[in-house]
Amino acid sequence: GAGVSQSPRYKVAKRGQDVALRCDPISGHVSLFWYQQALGQGPEFLTYFQNEAQLDKSGLPSDRFFAERPEGSVSTLKIQRTQQEDSAVYLCASSVKVFRTNTGELFFGEGSRLTVL
Amino acid sequence: DQQVKQNSPSLSVQEGRISILNCDYTNSMFDYFLWYKKYPAEGPTFLISISSIKDKNEDGRFTVFLNKSAKHLSLHIVPSQPGDSAVYFCAASGIWGGEYGNKLVFGAGTILRVKS
Repeated sequence: GAGVSQSPRYKVAKRGQDVALRCDPISGHVSLFWYQQALGQGPEFLTYFQNEAQLDKSGLPSDRFFAERPEGSVSTLKIQRTQQEDSAVYLCASSVKVFRTNTGELFFGEGSRLTVL
Repeated sequence: DQQVKQNSPSLSVQEGRISILNCDYTNSMFDYFLWYKKYPAEGPTFLISISSIKDKNEDGRFTVFLNKSAKHLSLHIVPSQPGDSAVYFCAASGIWGGEYGNKLVFGAGTILRVKS
């Protein structure tokens, strides 16, 4: 597709359920990021992939959060045993090159809104 | 501890006038700054950026000013148009290899409303 595609757009989970959020970046983009955006806040960094390598996962809030990009294209963010504080919009972004070798521009998807009841 | 701060949650401007959105940062390791625009139910889209070696960057109606000594940047939109109504996020990154070299740190955003 022309842009970053995320699915599902909306997800309602009961507390304790596991969820998986998918990101299809722009074809050929090397860098892929996951951000978490709470209501009324700016996006907060979760993790960064360069191709299939996860180079930075310092933003993942707990070991319940796991991300992968096994073939260097599609990425999945998995949240185990969801809790109410996990409710947020999860944004995926991609960049054509290794981050900071260009303008630093990221192309964002529309996000997956997770609501944990 | 917010390292990028947008202290004005909202701003209302008349069409045709100038919109000025402000952003302050605390980390002196940031060396690249960006503005993103976000419409409801869409992801943020890149608007304009500036390197710390510059103090001004202009792109059409949008100009970003950087004051390194004050750790302050601003986005000027002239003239403002109703289609500019959106949430504007300021973001910063650091030198490659440093703690903030592979991520953007965002402010909380400012809602801009341009009245026609």
